Order: sequence, then C-alpha cells, then structure tokens
Amino acid sequence: RKEVEQDPGPFNVPEGATVAFNCTYSNSASQSFFWYRQDCRKEPKLLMSVYSSGNEDGRFTAQLNRASQYISLLIRDSKLSDSATYLCVVGHNDMRFGAGTRLTVKP
Amino acid sequence: ETGVTQSPTHLIKTRGQQVTLRCSSQSGHNTVSWYQQALGQGPQFIFQYYREEENGRGNFPPRFSGLQFPNYSSELNVNALELDDSALYLCASNPGRGGAETQYFGPGTRLLVL
Repeated sequence: RKEVEQDPGPFNVPEGATVAFNCTYSNSASQSFFWYRQDCRKEPKLLMSVYSSGNEDGRFTAQLNRASQYISLLIRDSKLSDSATYLCVVGHNDMRFGAGTRLTVKP
Repeated sequence: ETGVTQSPTHLIKTRGQQVTLRCSSQSGHNTVSWYQQALGQGPQFIFQYYREEENGRGNFPPRFSGLQFPNYSSELNVNALELDDSALYLCASNPGRGGAETQYFGPGTRLLVL
C-alpha cells in the first residue's frame, strides 16, 4: 500500500464547476498535511495547509479526518487558471507526496 | 518566489557516470530535503539534512548521497547512474528541524540518463 494515495484522475471540468479531490494516508502518526499545486514542468508550490478543524481560502476548502486518515480538497467556481496537478502531502519527520491528480478546467 | 535556487537546470549523462546537483536554500533555512520526481509521479523523498547532518532518508540506495554546507547550500550526488535515474530532482528547504512543515521548493534539475 502506498503511503499517500490520491484519486488517479484526470479531472476535466468546465469553468465554474465544483471539483473535489480525495486523498488517504497510511501513517497514523502523521503530523502535518498539505495540498500543493504543480504546474506543468514547474516545481510544487504550497496551496494550503490542512487542519483538523477544516480550513478555507477563498474558493478552496480543505478538510482532514484523522480517524479515517483522509484528506480532501474542494475547489468551487473553477477557473481556467486552476488547471494543474494537485498533490496531497503528509508530513511526519519528512514529507510524503501522493502521485497527484491532474485537473483541466475548460472554457 | 521561494528564494531556493538549483543548478544546473538541465543535464544529460550516460549510464554509469556520476552527477552532482546543487541547491541554494533561503538564508536561515536549516533543513534541506531532496526529492526525485519521475514523469507522471509525485515527488519521492530521497533524504534530508539538518545543520549539515543527514536526519532522514527515503527508500533510495546508497549511491544517492548528499552534503549540506554552513552557507545553506547543499549537493545531491548520484553514482553509477542508471536509466531509471532520469527524473526531475527537486530540493526544498524550511527553517525548522525536520521536513514536516511547509517546504519551499527550488525549480528543479532535469536529469536525463542515456
């Protein structure tokens, strides 16, 4: 079993759609949780940290369920500029990345 | 930008050769981590250094080695290159000890092994 597993994707959605990404992790001792965004041929960049209480940043909402070892990211009102690969990241002593879910938002 | 730089940006080597990749972290970032990202995959953790000592390693063979220097620069060395070593190599830094906090990535080095 992989340490961090994500929806395989790809997701192709129209502008304005709501899209949800799911992620599970295997290490119950994990301490920190993030979503990173990676554009084609670029480095990953932090999108948002994920907290147990859930957190929101504009159109983006992230949730964490420690009991189920599950993380989610919801993007509302998708924009063309949201097209990227979204990486679920789990930290313990180091960071472990999922394989990423590719999102394409079309006009 | 993150303030993390890497060199070179691209590199072509042949099987069996050795390569050294370089990273310059933000001043004050005591932890540097290195990752290998194969095409279509997420970054895989290679190892991390805290204040010039290795303090974590992923599932990579000993021919992957590293160094961290007092001036916040670091190196990733790979000996006896194999075709499967072709990938994007990313370094990331953060101010604390260990890599479980927000990391700031450099642009990466693309290595092609022929």
